[in-house]
Amino acid sequence: QKEVEQNSGPLSVPEGAIASLNCTYSDRGSQSFFWYRQYSGKSPELIMFIYSNGDKEDGRFTAQLNKASQYVSLLIRDSQPSDSATYLCAVRSYGQNFVFGPGTRLSVLP
Amino acid sequence: DTAVSQTPKYLVTQMGNDKSIKCEQNLGHDTMYWYKQDSKKFLKIMFSYNNKELIINETVPNRFSPKSPDKAHLNLHINSLELGDSAVYFCASSSRTATYEQYFGPGTRLTVT
Repeated sequence: QKEVEQNSGPLSVPEGAIASLNCTYSDRGSQSFFWYRQYSGKSPELIMFIYSNGDKEDGRFTAQLNKASQYVSLLIRDSQPSDSATYLCAVRSYGQNFVFGPGTRLSVLP
Repeated sequence: DTAVSQTPKYLVTQMGNDKSIKCEQNLGHDTMYWYKQDSKKFLKIMFSYNNKELIINETVPNRFSPKSPDKAHLNLHINSLELGDSAVYFCASSSRTATYEQYFGPGTRLTVT
């Protein structure tokens, strides 16, 4: 069974710090990787996706992928209280089927 | 403009009833999905439809049935509702011609009493 694992948190960081969110997956055939942000009572919102090993940066967000270690992470620089949310890692294998992790709750303290 | 919309936003009903949730997307995507997010916030896929054909059917009870009149709509029908069906149901869509990322609707909170 394909699994995606995340530390449920909560992960607490002070405002302005770097938040590091981690995700591991079990299916070596996984092809693409996504990070979603979900505020309480709202729907998941796509932040970033990554396909190739290495880093991908978008503003304050950096996604890192290491397929050999089956590991993907999301770094949030200069964390703001508005970044406080649950971050969901999603992994796509063959086709369009996504497997979501349980999410990590991030709390940015002012 | 709303990309993925769902109705109703809230649905409160009694055990044993039959209900439907509607979903529409105006993104021109060719695949739509239904997800269930339970009280522990775990997001699990239930169904996906591509060009009006079911391509994924996870192990959900057959009381749940997706119906897609066209590629912009995917409705979810639930028969004989049970207490355990209480959850938030999200519709999503994606395109095979793009990068497969999925976009979610606002969700329908179903409460079965």
